[in-house]
Amino acid sequence: DAGVIQSPRHEVTEMGQEVTLRCKPISGHDYLFWYRQTMMRGLELLIYFNNNVPIDDSGMPEDRFSAKMPNASFSTLKIQPSEPRDSAVYFCASSLYRGWETQYFGPGTRLLVL
Amino acid sequence: GENVEQHPSTLSVQEGDSAVIKCTYSDSASNYFPWYKQELGKGPQLIIDIRSNVGEKKDQRIAVTLNKTAKHFSLHITETQPEDSAVYFCAASNPGAQKLVFGQGTRLTINP
Repeated sequence: DAGVIQSPRHEVTEMGQEVTLRCKPISGHDYLFWYRQTMMRGLELLIYFNNNVPIDDSGMPEDRFSAKMPNASFSTLKIQPSEPRDSAVYFCASSLYRGWETQYFGPGTRLLVL
Repeated sequence: GENVEQHPSTLSVQEGDSAVIKCTYSDSASNYFPWYKQELGKGPQLIIDIRSNVGEKKDQRIAVTLNKTAKHFSLHITETQPEDSAVYFCAASNPGAQKLVFGQGTRLTINP
């Protein structure tokens, strides 16, 4: 298996622009997690899905952030409008229903908002 | 909710020596404690985990210990090698939350 795939790997954008991050989980996995990593706040969970349904979005910072999972093999995290404080590395992770705690992370998307 | 504290934030050891990283958690209901290793430019990868029904688990040069009473757990790496240099994260979860809460991470440097 190719593992969790994220795109783009790097994104540089200007403040106010819309940013869309993409994730393809491991085939057959039931859970999908979006994390944000910064020096100040470490690794924080933003939202997670179970069988394509959002379960907990309490970590989403504000209404500028939205996430969707239209099918079992694709998810997006969108920031609109982006701000410099959104600069971070965004990770997607997936796991099986049985053993959801064992999460497999993608390589991450490094986002820089100027 | 759960809170996980991790120490130290940076650790430098000589190749061949041992390294120990410690974490404490706040929620006594937490029962699963994984450790992740993050190499430069990559996502975190699970290296070892422990559940609350055991006190210690080993896998070659790495081991994890858990003290439920004190609510702390530790990662031990013996005979360290240059490839052990990375950032290590601990985490905790409980059955009801269905999410991992991560510590702040420890940057481990192995000096040749």
